[in-house]
Amino acid sequence: RKEVEQDPGPFNVPEGATVAFNCTYSNSASQSFFWYRQDCRKEPKLLMSVYSSGNEDGRFTAQLNRASQYISLLIRDSKLSDSATYLCVVTRDSNYQLIWGAGTKLIIKP
Amino acid sequence: DAGVIQSPRHEVTEMGQEVTLRCKPISGHDYLFWYRQTMMRGLELLIYFNNNVPIDDSGMPEDRFSAKMPNASFSTLKIQPSEPRDSAVYFCASSSYWRASTEAFFGQGTRLTVV
Repeated sequence: RKEVEQDPGPFNVPEGATVAFNCTYSNSASQSFFWYRQDCRKEPKLLMSVYSSGNEDGRFTAQLNRASQYISLLIRDSKLSDSATYLCVVTRDSNYQLIWGAGTKLIIKP
Repeated sequence: DAGVIQSPRHEVTEMGQEVTLRCKPISGHDYLFWYRQTMMRGLELLIYFNNNVPIDDSGMPEDRFSAKMPNASFSTLKIQPSEPRDSAVYFCASSSYWRASTEAFFGQGTRLTVV
């Protein structure tokens, strides 16, 4: 079993819809959590950190569920420009090494 | 700041040849990471440095791979001899410190094709 798992998708979503996807992690001692976005043939870029109380940044909401060991990303009023691969990242407890999920591909259709 | 700079952007080489990938991290960042990304395996950490010292190279696939960081502004990843299965996008990333909410900044990557 991979340490960080994501549904690879693709999620095909009409423009304006709300979409959510989860990421599960296996190490209960994981400390920090992030969502990165990667556009086709580009480098990953930080989308948002995920805090214990949940956090929101515009149309994006991130949640952390430590009991069930998953984080989620919710995108409201989706735009064509949201089409990308979303990578879930978790740190290990001992050395804060980043552990990457394989990514969820999102396609927003007009 | 120009961000993390990698060169070359694309590299096509024949099997058995030596390949050297280069990275200039963001000035002031003391962590540097080398990643490899393929469709099959996703993003894999190969090695990372702290203050120019290799900390964890457990992700380096085999002895054909080596990485150096002779100073705070330069790192190389070398593959010798290269094989077709090394074809991938290689990313370099840097970070200012290793704590919660730390952002890793990536270079644009080197797309390596070994034929």
